[in-house]
Amino acid sequence: EDQVTQSPEALRLQEGESSSLNCSYTVSGLRGLFWYRQDPGKGPEFLFTLYSAGEEKEKERLKATLTKKESFLHITAPKPEDSATYLCAVQARGETSGSRLTFGEGTQLTVNP
Amino acid sequence: KAGVTQTPRYLIKTRGQQVTLSCSPISGHRSVSWYQQTPGQGLQFLFEYFSETQRNKGNFPGRFSGRQFSNSRSEMNVSTLELGDSALYLCASSLAGLAAKQFFGPGTRLTVL
Repeated sequence: EDQVTQSPEALRLQEGESSSLNCSYTVSGLRGLFWYRQDPGKGPEFLFTLYSAGEEKEKERLKATLTKKESFLHITAPKPEDSATYLCAVQARGETSGSRLTFGEGTQLTVNP
Repeated sequence: KAGVTQTPRYLIKTRGQQVTLSCSPISGHRSVSWYQQTPGQGLQFLFEYFSETQRNKGNFPGRFSGRQFSNSRSEMNVSTLELGDSALYLCASSLAGLAAKQFFGPGTRLTVL
Protein backbone atom coordinates (compact mmCIF):
# COMPACT_ATOMS: atom_id res chain seq x y z
CA GLU A 1 0.00 0.00 0.00
CA ASP A 2 1.30 3.46 -0.93
CA GLN A 3 2.07 5.73 2.00
CA VAL A 4 3.05 9.38 2.36
CA THR A 5 4.22 11.00 5.60
CA GLN A 6 4.81 14.73 5.91
CA SER A 7 6.72 16.53 8.64
CA PRO A 8 6.44 18.68 10.55
CA GLU A 9 2.65 18.83 10.95
CA ALA A 10 2.88 22.56 11.61
CA LEU A 11 5.66 25.11 11.15
CA ARG A 12 5.77 28.71 12.26
CA LEU A 13 8.42 30.99 10.70
CA GLN A 14 9.33 34.62 10.84
CA GLU A 15 9.30 36.48 7.55
CA GLY A 16 12.64 35.87 5.83
CA GLU A 17 13.45 32.75 7.87
CA SER A 18 14.16 29.93 5.40
CA SER A 19 13.20 26.32 6.13
CA SER A 20 12.30 22.97 4.58
CA LEU A 21 9.28 20.69 4.62
CA ASN A 22 9.73 16.93 4.37
CA CYS A 23 7.71 14.30 2.52
CA SER A 24 8.65 10.63 2.99
CA TYR A 25 6.99 8.10 0.74
CA THR A 26 6.61 4.40 0.14
CA VAL A 27 5.25 3.42 -3.24
CA SER A 28 5.40 0.39 -5.50
CA GLY A 29 7.13 2.21 -8.33
CA LEU A 30 6.91 5.99 -8.48
CA ARG A 31 5.30 7.56 -11.50
CA GLY A 32 5.33 11.08 -10.06
CA LEU A 33 5.49 13.07 -6.82
CA PHE A 34 3.31 16.16 -6.58
CA TRP A 35 3.37 19.20 -4.34
CA TYR A 36 0.25 21.29 -3.79
CA ARG A 37 -0.57 24.36 -1.76
CA GLN A 38 -3.99 24.67 -0.11
CA ASP A 39 -5.48 27.82 1.39
CA PRO A 40 -8.37 27.58 3.87
CA GLY A 41 -11.69 26.88 2.18
CA LYS A 42 -10.12 26.32 -1.24
CA GLY A 43 -9.03 23.40 -3.37
CA PRO A 44 -5.35 22.44 -3.61
CA GLU A 45 -3.27 24.52 -6.04
CA PHE A 46 -0.67 22.67 -8.12
CA LEU A 47 2.96 23.61 -7.48
CA PHE A 48 5.35 20.94 -8.84
CA THR A 49 5.66 17.44 -10.25
CA LEU A 50 8.90 15.48 -9.82
CA TYR A 51 9.48 12.25 -11.67
CA SER A 52 12.90 10.84 -10.79
CA ALA A 53 15.50 10.96 -8.02
CA GLY A 54 17.81 13.94 -8.35
CA GLU A 55 15.24 16.12 -10.04
CA GLU A 56 14.72 19.68 -8.78
CA LYS A 57 12.15 22.35 -9.66
CA GLU A 58 11.84 25.97 -8.59
CA LYS A 59 9.10 28.55 -8.52
CA GLU A 60 9.67 31.93 -6.89
CA ARG A 61 10.67 31.24 -3.26
CA LEU A 62 9.94 27.52 -3.49
CA LYS A 63 12.27 24.70 -4.54
CA ALA A 64 11.30 21.02 -4.59
CA THR A 65 13.79 18.16 -4.63
CA LEU A 66 13.38 14.40 -4.87
CA THR A 67 15.32 11.36 -3.67
CA LYS A 68 14.36 7.69 -3.83
CA LYS A 69 12.61 7.87 -0.46
CA GLU A 70 11.68 11.49 0.19
CA SER A 71 11.08 14.92 -1.19
CA PHE A 72 11.83 18.31 0.30
CA LEU A 73 10.11 21.62 -0.28
CA HIS A 74 12.57 24.39 0.51
CA ILE A 75 11.15 27.82 1.23
CA THR A 76 13.64 30.67 0.91
CA ALA A 77 12.97 34.00 2.64
CA PRO A 78 9.25 33.30 3.07
CA LYS A 79 6.62 36.03 3.15
CA PRO A 80 3.30 36.08 5.03
CA GLU A 81 1.47 35.25 1.79
CA ASP A 82 3.28 31.89 1.73
CA SER A 83 1.18 30.84 4.74
CA ALA A 84 -0.87 27.80 3.70
CA THR A 85 -1.03 24.03 4.03
CA TYR A 86 1.45 22.28 1.76
CA LEU A 87 0.44 18.84 0.55
CA CYS A 88 2.61 16.11 -0.92
CA ALA A 89 1.15 13.28 -3.03
CA VAL A 90 2.47 10.30 -4.97
CA GLN A 91 1.20 8.54 -8.03
CA ALA A 92 2.20 4.90 -8.46
CA ARG A 93 3.02 3.03 -11.60
CA GLY A 94 0.84 0.12 -12.58
CA GLU A 95 -1.98 -0.56 -14.98
CA THR A 96 -4.62 -0.23 -12.27
CA SER A 97 -3.30 2.95 -10.67
CA GLY A 98 -4.72 5.38 -13.19
CA SER A 99 -4.27 8.97 -12.06
CA ARG A 100 -4.85 8.11 -8.39
CA LEU A 101 -2.93 10.34 -5.96
CA THR A 102 -2.08 9.27 -2.41
CA PHE A 103 -1.73 12.34 -0.20
CA GLY A 104 0.11 13.04 3.02
CA GLU A 105 -1.59 14.88 5.88
CA GLY A 106 0.10 18.13 4.96
CA THR A 107 2.28 20.72 6.71
CA GLN A 108 0.52 23.84 7.93
CA LEU A 109 2.92 26.73 7.41
CA THR A 110 2.47 30.10 9.12
CA VAL A 111 4.79 32.99 8.26
CA ASN A 112 4.65 35.90 10.67
CA PRO A 113 5.53 39.44 9.53
CA LYS B 1 -9.05 29.18 -19.54
CA ALA B 2 -11.72 28.54 -16.96
CA GLY B 3 -10.75 26.32 -14.05
CA VAL B 4 -12.52 23.32 -12.59
CA THR B 5 -15.97 24.23 -11.34
CA GLN B 6 -18.01 22.36 -8.75
CA THR B 7 -21.64 22.77 -7.79
CA PRO B 8 -23.09 23.29 -5.35
CA ARG B 9 -20.42 24.86 -3.13
CA TYR B 10 -22.27 24.13 0.10
CA LEU B 11 -24.85 21.51 0.96
CA ILE B 12 -26.66 20.50 4.13
CA LYS B 13 -28.43 17.15 4.26
CA THR B 14 -29.83 14.85 6.94
CA ARG B 15 -28.91 11.25 7.63
CA GLY B 16 -30.46 8.77 5.22
CA GLN B 17 -30.82 11.22 2.37
CA GLN B 18 -28.85 11.04 -0.85
CA VAL B 19 -26.86 13.73 -2.60
CA THR B 20 -25.45 14.40 -6.07
CA LEU B 21 -22.43 16.64 -6.63
CA SER B 22 -21.32 17.98 -10.00
CA CYS B 23 -17.93 18.75 -11.50
CA SER B 24 -17.06 20.47 -14.79
CA PRO B 25 -13.42 19.89 -15.76
CA ILE B 26 -11.09 22.26 -17.56
CA SER B 27 -11.86 22.32 -21.26
CA GLY B 28 -9.96 19.55 -23.03
CA HIS B 29 -9.35 17.50 -19.88
CA ARG B 30 -10.71 13.97 -20.12
CA SER B 31 -9.80 12.59 -16.71
CA VAL B 32 -11.82 13.52 -13.63
CA SER B 33 -10.96 12.31 -10.13
CA TRP B 34 -12.89 12.74 -6.89
CA TYR B 35 -11.41 13.07 -3.41
CA GLN B 36 -12.86 13.35 0.08
CA GLN B 37 -11.10 15.66 2.53
CA THR B 38 -11.70 15.50 6.29
CA PRO B 39 -9.64 16.83 9.21
CA GLY B 40 -8.93 13.34 10.51
CA GLN B 41 -8.23 11.45 7.28
CA GLY B 42 -6.87 14.13 4.99
CA LEU B 43 -7.41 13.80 1.26
CA GLN B 44 -8.59 10.36 0.21
CA PHE B 45 -9.15 9.13 -3.33
CA LEU B 46 -12.70 8.13 -4.22
CA PHE B 47 -12.59 7.27 -7.93
CA GLU B 48 -11.41 8.40 -11.34
CA TYR B 49 -13.26 8.56 -14.62
CA PHE B 50 -11.69 8.71 -18.05
CA SER B 51 -13.68 8.73 -21.29
CA GLU B 52 -16.87 7.86 -19.40
CA THR B 53 -15.29 4.77 -17.80
CA GLN B 54 -14.25 4.32 -14.20
CA ARG B 55 -10.49 3.80 -14.37
CA ASN B 56 -9.75 3.41 -10.68
CA LYS B 57 -11.62 3.22 -7.39
CA GLY B 58 -10.61 3.91 -3.79
CA ASN B 59 -11.63 2.10 -0.62
CA PHE B 60 -15.05 3.58 -0.07
CA PRO B 61 -18.36 1.73 0.39
CA GLY B 62 -20.72 1.19 -2.50
CA ARG B 63 -22.87 4.11 -1.29
CA PHE B 64 -20.38 6.29 -3.13
CA SER B 65 -20.75 6.18 -6.89
CA GLY B 66 -20.01 8.35 -9.86
CA ARG B 67 -20.31 8.75 -13.57
CA GLN B 68 -18.89 10.79 -16.40
CA PHE B 69 -20.69 12.18 -19.40
CA SER B 70 -19.53 12.45 -23.00
CA ASN B 71 -18.55 16.12 -22.44
CA SER B 72 -16.27 14.96 -19.55
CA ARG B 73 -18.49 16.51 -16.89
CA SER B 74 -18.78 14.23 -13.89
CA GLU B 75 -21.17 13.63 -11.05
CA MET B 76 -20.77 11.76 -7.81
CA ASN B 77 -23.61 10.40 -5.75
CA VAL B 78 -23.73 9.41 -2.11
CA SER B 79 -26.76 7.42 -1.00
CA THR B 80 -28.02 6.83 2.53
CA LEU B 81 -25.92 9.61 4.01
CA GLU B 82 -24.16 9.08 7.34
CA LEU B 83 -22.80 11.69 9.76
CA GLY B 84 -19.27 10.61 8.83
CA ASP B 85 -19.84 11.63 5.23
CA SER B 86 -19.54 15.28 6.24
CA ALA B 87 -16.49 16.50 4.36
CA LEU B 88 -15.11 18.66 1.60
CA TYR B 89 -15.51 16.82 -1.70
CA LEU B 90 -12.93 17.82 -4.27
CA CYS B 91 -12.88 17.19 -7.96
CA ALA B 92 -9.67 17.26 -10.01
CA SER B 93 -9.22 17.19 -13.77
CA SER B 94 -6.22 16.38 -15.92
CA LEU B 95 -5.26 15.73 -19.50
CA ALA B 96 -5.39 12.17 -20.76
CA GLY B 97 -1.82 11.19 -19.92
CA LEU B 98 -0.88 9.58 -16.62
CA ALA B 99 1.31 11.64 -14.29
CA ALA B 100 -0.30 14.73 -15.79
CA LYS B 101 -0.93 17.67 -13.48
CA GLN B 102 -4.26 17.44 -11.70
CA PHE B 103 -6.09 20.71 -11.21
CA PHE B 104 -8.55 20.89 -8.35
CA GLY B 105 -11.85 22.68 -8.08
CA PRO B 106 -12.92 24.68 -5.01
CA GLY B 107 -14.83 21.73 -3.59
CA THR B 108 -18.32 21.10 -2.26
CA ARG B 109 -18.69 21.34 1.50
CA LEU B 110 -21.22 18.68 2.56
CA THR B 111 -22.66 18.73 6.07
CA VAL B 112 -24.77 15.80 7.22
CA LEU B 113 -27.01 16.43 10.24
